[in-house]
This record gives sequence, structure tokens and C-alpha cells, in this order.
Amino acid sequence: EAGVAQSPRYKIIEKRQSVAFWCNPISGHATLYWYQQILGQGPKLLIQFQNNGVVDDSQLPKDRFSAERLKGVDSTLKIQPAKLEDSAVYLCASSARGQLNTEAFFGQGTRLTVV
Amino acid sequence: AQTVTQSQPEMSVQEAETVTLSCTYDTSESDYYLFWYKQPPSRQMILVIRQEAYKQQNATENRFSVNFQKAAKSFSLKISDSQLGDAAMYFCAYRSPIHNAGNMLTFGGGTRLMVKP
Repeated sequence: EAGVAQSPRYKIIEKRQSVAFWCNPISGHATLYWYQQILGQGPKLLIQFQNNGVVDDSQLPKDRFSAERLKGVDSTLKIQPAKLEDSAVYLCASSARGQLNTEAFFGQGTRLTVV
Repeated sequence: AQTVTQSQPEMSVQEAETVTLSCTYDTSESDYYLFWYKQPPSRQMILVIRQEAYKQQNATENRFSVNFQKAAKSFSLKISDSQLGDAAMYFCAYRSPIHNAGNMLTFGGGTRLMVKP
């Protein structure tokens, strides 16, 4: 079974530029998450999708961050314009719908550096 | 809102020895799930062990076991017979039982485990 795929693995941009990250979840997984992990901290949820609908985006800085999951499969997270404090690893995860104790599977993340 | 605290930024253990990583959490919910994740340098979070709060028995997975103290809101991870491959960041995580929460996890700040040969 293929895991959660993310690209790119690394990205360096200048502040005020825009950037996009892509995630392909495990086939059949209805729930998709984007987490932000700042260096030295634990991951923090940015947004959760159930199929193509948003379940929780309360911690997403909506003035600069946006995310979509068209057709309920792949997802894209965008930052525009980027700030220095957006430097972090962006992790995508997915889980199957159903049992409440279903495990979330993570991708390898995208390391973003804003200079 | 729930919070998860890991008070040990770094721990070290000799190969083949046992180490315990601490985690405390704060919640007003009575039923929930707790997890330990391992994050190696590859950055991919790997589930190590999970515990359902309604189960009194502590979870065990091979060399990994937990000490779940519900009243104290404590959830420590014990690694027995430590191996070099155990070196990584370890994160404690909490998940609400609320159905719409799906698998949304609240993570602690992490503990870096070093294993000495």
C-alpha cells in the first residue's frame, strides 16, 4: 500500500513570495489533514478535510493561507504572501473514515524556508 | 482546549537499557485516545503505540509499553532494550472522542531521544 505522498520535499523562497504544497493521501482515505511543524515544536493542525469539505480550519491563518481538496482526493496548501515565521515543515496526513480509533498516516513533509 | 506537555526536551539511554519518556495532558473529557509517535530525521511521523482512555490495561507493542494514569493525566512511554534505531524525536498526542474531530491530534513539544552505543 502506497503511503501519503507530498511534494516538494524542500522549498526555499523569499518573503512576500507565494508557494504551494501538494499532498496525495492513501487511496480511499476520506480524511486529510495539514499540520505545521515549526522547528523544535510539535505539529499543529492547520486544516482538516472530510472528502472535499472542510471540517476544521480554525487555526489556519486565512489572510495568507488557503487549502483545497478538489474531488476529495489530492490537496494543495498555498501560502501567499509568505512571511519569515512561516518557515516550518508542513506535514500532510490521511485516515480512513469509520472507526474512531483509526490511525492517521503521515507523509514525509515539505520543509519550507522563507528568507 | 486540550494541552499536551512533554517536560523532557532531551533524553539519552545506553543501548540495551530502558528509558521512560514522560507526558502529561489536560482535558475535561472522560473518553479520549492517546498516542506516541516517533519522528526520525526523515520527518515522517510513525505511530509507536496507542491507548484508549476507557481501557484500564496499559498498551504494549513489543519493546514499547505505556504507563497510563488517567486520574493523574499522565501517559509515559517505556522503551525496553533500546536500540540505535530508536534514536528520534518522540511526540505524545491526544485525540478527542468527538466524532467530527476525526483523527485531529494535539501534540506535545517532543522529546529527543539519543541512544549511546
